[in-house]
Amino acid sequence: DVKVTQSSRYLVKRTGEKVFLECVQDMDHENMFWYRQDPGLGLRLIYFSYDVKMKEKGDIPEGYSVSREKKERFSLILESASTNQTSMYLCASSVGRIPQHFGDGTRLSIL
Amino acid sequence: QKEVEQDPGPLSVPEGAIVSLNCTYSNSAFQYFMWYRQYSRKGPELLMYTYSSGNKEDGRFTAQVDKSSKYISLFIRDSQPSDSATYLCAMSVGDGLTFGKGTHLIIQP
Repeated sequence: DVKVTQSSRYLVKRTGEKVFLECVQDMDHENMFWYRQDPGLGLRLIYFSYDVKMKEKGDIPEGYSVSREKKERFSLILESASTNQTSMYLCASSVGRIPQHFGDGTRLSIL
Repeated sequence: QKEVEQDPGPLSVPEGAIVSLNCTYSNSAFQYFMWYRQYSRKGPELLMYTYSSGNKEDGRFTAQVDKSSKYISLFIRDSQPSDSATYLCAMSVGDGLTFGKGTHLIIQP
């Protein structure tokens, strides 16, 4: 069974902290994505990566960065966490540019 | 006007009914149309993927695209309680998807 694993289901951090969200896929997919999901706003793309060390900005990249040092792992970094980054974060992977398999999400609260 | 409109529901129907879920969109350049299902506390899963206009069937699910009306639908036949979930439409020109906000579907046993 294919799997996208996000390191934490729930995370609580403080304003100004540097936060790392980790995602690992076991399907040897080229493409990986980070989305956030907010009530009333739906899913919005933060960043995606189509190869190791490659990254592209999505619709809302401000305040975030990403790292892809290995094919199976895609990390999302909140450089200096703010309360408006409280959200559900979803990682996905795919063969093509359409996200196929999502992780179960990390619910991040910034206090 | 938002690019993709989807009624949030909830939509509640009895078990066995035919369900119709719909999205409208404004960007006539969209070419790829997707439906995702999201159970509570889970990530979305890709259900159906269609390119351009027409119908596509997969078991109890049928995806329909009408580009002239900028309207897409997902039909679920013989609905089951296990179909209760939020259904998200999504569409794309090439890179990047635009998602609808999802319709919450409840199938009553």
